Amino acid sequence: ETGVTQTPRHLVMGMTNKKSLKCEQHLGHNAMYWYKQSAKKPLELMFVYNFKEQTENNSVPSRFSPECPNSSHLFLHLHTLQPEDSALYLCASSPSTGANTGELFFGEGSRLTVL
Amino acid sequence: DQQVKQNSPSLSVQEGRISILNCDYTNSMFDYFLWYKKYPAEGPTFLISISSIKDKNEDGRFTVFLNKSAKHLSLHIVPSQPGDSAVYFCAASAINDMRFGAGTRLTVKP
Repeated sequence: ETGVTQTPRHLVMGMTNKKSLKCEQHLGHNAMYWYKQSAKKPLELMFVYNFKEQTENNSVPSRFSPECPNSSHLFLHLHTLQPEDSALYLCASSPSTGANTGELFFGEGSRLTVL
Repeated sequence: DQQVKQNSPSLSVQEGRISILNCDYTNSMFDYFLWYKKYPAEGPTFLISISSIKDKNEDGRFTVFLNKSAKHLSLHIVPSQPGDSAVYFCAASAINDMRFGAGTRLTVKP
């Protein structure tokens, strides 16, 4: 089983829909992250959770709502999105935050299309 | 505010030759640098890293060079192989902060 698993891999939704992205990590890590990857742009950090506590909210619009019920699971709840929110959403984990010598372990991403 | 820049969106090299991917950063607080590799339909995977106390780190065919005064790092792949064809992301890290470049798509032609 892969270290970081994201579901669904592909999601198409209308602007009035409510959907959720799910991330699960099997690495025993304590920190989890949501990144957004738009075409030809850098990976944008959205949210960081360390030991289930949100430590970073990188000025993300409220139509994106994260949830971290435990150190292994991370959700991104989506509602009233805009077409420009269409992107690849990547989940990542690391042993913890606060140390800058660690690599991030990424999931395969959820490709979101907003119509 | 793009603190990590990869100015070449794409690079094409012949199999067996050297691939050189470049990355520039602006924040002098970054002290750890990483390269990630991404294949289509997969998430980025860690490739190689370097601490700011070093200027070179080598791992097999992959070598990362860091020039702190120029705030520049590069990834050398030699010899390049077709399986190296992917998007390569540069990342720079400080405490509680990791920033990524936009990526460079490397194509290695047989």
